[in-house]
Amino acid sequence: EPEVTQTPSHQVTQMGQEVILRCVPISNHLYFYWYRQILGQKVEFLVSFYNNEISEKSEIFDDQFSVERPDGSNFTLKIRSTKLEDSAMYFCASSFDSDANTGELFFGEGSRLTVL
Amino acid sequence: QQQVKQSPQSLIVQKGGISIINCAYENTAFDYFPWYQQFPGKGPALLIAIRPDVSEKKEGRFTISFNKSAKQFSLHIMDSQPGDSATYFCAASLDYGGSQGNLIFGKGTKLSVKP
Repeated sequence: EPEVTQTPSHQVTQMGQEVILRCVPISNHLYFYWYRQILGQKVEFLVSFYNNEISEKSEIFDDQFSVERPDGSNFTLKIRSTKLEDSAMYFCASSFDSDANTGELFFGEGSRLTVL
Repeated sequence: QQQVKQSPQSLIVQKGGISIINCAYENTAFDYFPWYQQFPGKGPALLIAIRPDVSEKKEGRFTISFNKSAKQFSLHIMDSQPGDSATYFCAASLDYGGSQGNLIFGKGTKLSVKP
């Protein structure tokens, strides 16, 4: 079964450092997303990406965050200068379509980011 | 207006029992309501979803009941099994353009099914 893969599974970084989280969405999917889940809290939408540009972003997704699809397979989330409160599990997701009937989101297993 | 409120926070059910998780929303523009199941160390996985033009949707042991006037929806798990033990999230979104993927999640319910 096709799946969304994420790397690294866990990254520890110092406050102020740049972090790049990588995702390989399912190959024929067209819509890509990043979500985050702070430990013990709900999953929160960060950004959606379609046709090489951001479709929507939440208030969380400020100037410290950026996304990129550098080639035909990878989808990355960059945090320029990490803060303690960026510590969370970051989930990448993809969908084939934007329609609710065919646009099921498939989530990866997540990348745990710990900022010290 | 964008919140989805989920209860209970945790739930313990005996094997074979019925698990019921409730959610309420405020934004009447929401028109896509999925439930996600998450096992420890894994990402959320779509379990079942409903749109507001129907009041109930059933897939196997899982049923969503939807009350549009009350702005509430619930997940019922019939004949609960230990393998159902996981965290369940309700969510809501606007179903147009790419907004279907902008899911507003509830806080989750940790379900434990005792053998």
